[in-house]
Amino acid sequence: EVHLLESGGGLVQPGGSLRLSCAASGFTFSSYAMSWVRQAPGKGLEWVSGISGSGGRTYYAASVKGRFTISRDNSKNTLYLQMNSLRVEDTAVYYCAKGTKETGTNTYDYWGQGTLVTVSS
Amino acid sequence: QSALTQPASVSGSPGQSITVSCTGASSDVGGYNYVSWYQQHPGKAPKLMIYEVSYRPSGVPDRFSASKSGNTASLTISGLQAEDEADYYCSSYTGSNTWVFGGGTKLTVL
Repeated sequence: EVHLLESGGGLVQPGGSLRLSCAASGFTFSSYAMSWVRQAPGKGLEWVSGISGSGGRTYYAASVKGRFTISRDNSKNTLYLQMNSLRVEDTAVYYCAKGTKETGTNTYDYWGQGTLVTVSS
Repeated sequence: QSALTQPASVSGSPGQSITVSCTGASSDVGGYNYVSWYQQHPGKAPKLMIYEVSYRPSGVPDRFSASKSGNTASLTISGLQAEDEADYYCSSYTGSNTWVFGGGTKLTVL
């Protein structure tokens, strides 16, 4: 059974940094692209970033490019999101989501339960 | 990339059918057959209901169906049941390995 468990969320001041983790199990982690998707309180979903199975290719939404860095450690079956220069508008629940191919994906078939990031002074 | 446009809410009685629309552009919905629909109950993670415009993952009831015409995708739920009450989000590939989601539609089962 596929299982994704996010961690690392919390309260951080504007301009601060935070690193999110997503521990994966139940599938061959390195064979699938992964992504981060966020949801601001009471709002819709927003795609944030994606990474290929090997980790060699990364992709970002314009809203986070230059501030966030996605990475993965396939030996630990773990996905990461390093978030720097955080803004109030980055406040959201951050979900990790599993793709269906090593490079690119046609959809996201499994999602974690999410971790809340609150950016506030 | 602008969010896809969905109605804020729809409603229906048990046993009835409802349709949720999702309007984008030729650069996303109209340009690729990579439209997905997700169901999200309050406080829960999104669940994949439809992928590649009209395909259902294993375990999703056949009461859920979807299609696309031009820049608009649609999700239809027939034989509404109380447990279908949730938020529904569409998403589309936008090229260069990036994705866009709709604003979400709250389904109320009366």
